[in-house]
Amino acid sequence: DAKTTQPPSMDCAEGRAANLPCNHSTISGNEYVYWYRQIHSQGPQYIIHGLKNNETNEMASLIITEDRKSSTLILPHATLRDTAVYYCIVRVASPGTYKYIFGTGTRLKVLA
Amino acid sequence: DARVTQTPRHKVTEMGQEVTMRCQPILGHNTVFWYRQTMMQGLELLAYFRNRAPLDDSGMPKDRFSAEMPDATLATLKIQPSEPRDSAVYFCASGFEGGTEAFFGQGTRLTVV
Repeated sequence: DAKTTQPPSMDCAEGRAANLPCNHSTISGNEYVYWYRQIHSQGPQYIIHGLKNNETNEMASLIITEDRKSSTLILPHATLRDTAVYYCIVRVASPGTYKYIFGTGTRLKVLA
Repeated sequence: DARVTQTPRHKVTEMGQEVTMRCQPILGHNTVFWYRQTMMQGLELLAYFRNRAPLDDSGMPKDRFSAEMPDATLATLKIQPSEPRDSAVYFCASGFEGGTEAFFGQGTRLTVV
């Protein structure tokens, strides 16, 4: 079962910041928060991940609350090409490896 | 440009036929995942491998699905016999053990009629 909860859809104006929330209240201490997105029917694409600290890369920023029960993905200047389904995932550690369990995601529509 | 390659990209088959989907993971990756995506169920994890050994295939219908890694450069997912409810997009992903992200292929769109 998915360990995250996300709003089903959001709209954002082009050029504005898109803030996508995610709840993961049952996350364990060694589990990472990952974000992927899926454009049309392409394969999911990695965006960013984090454990405790806030993270930033060329695509986005990830803000994780101090209690780690929720996080926010920030696309600082959304473009039309950012229209996609965004998945917040808790990477589950299994014996010897790890696995990604996807939830239903947030469908982000960037409006011109 | 390293990428996960899946073949075929599209497959239409008749109910009862055997279907084989192939995945070439990124060279050097030792973890391979198979996912199935439908409108109703979203992305479901079917099985995953580490160093070619199956670690968990509890997401797969055992009676008709099988997943193998004959060698480090090839992962296969077979359905025999196929049924209309198997129609979906099947994704393969690969990554490093303990690494950061998993890289997904473009998927195989399967239609069983």
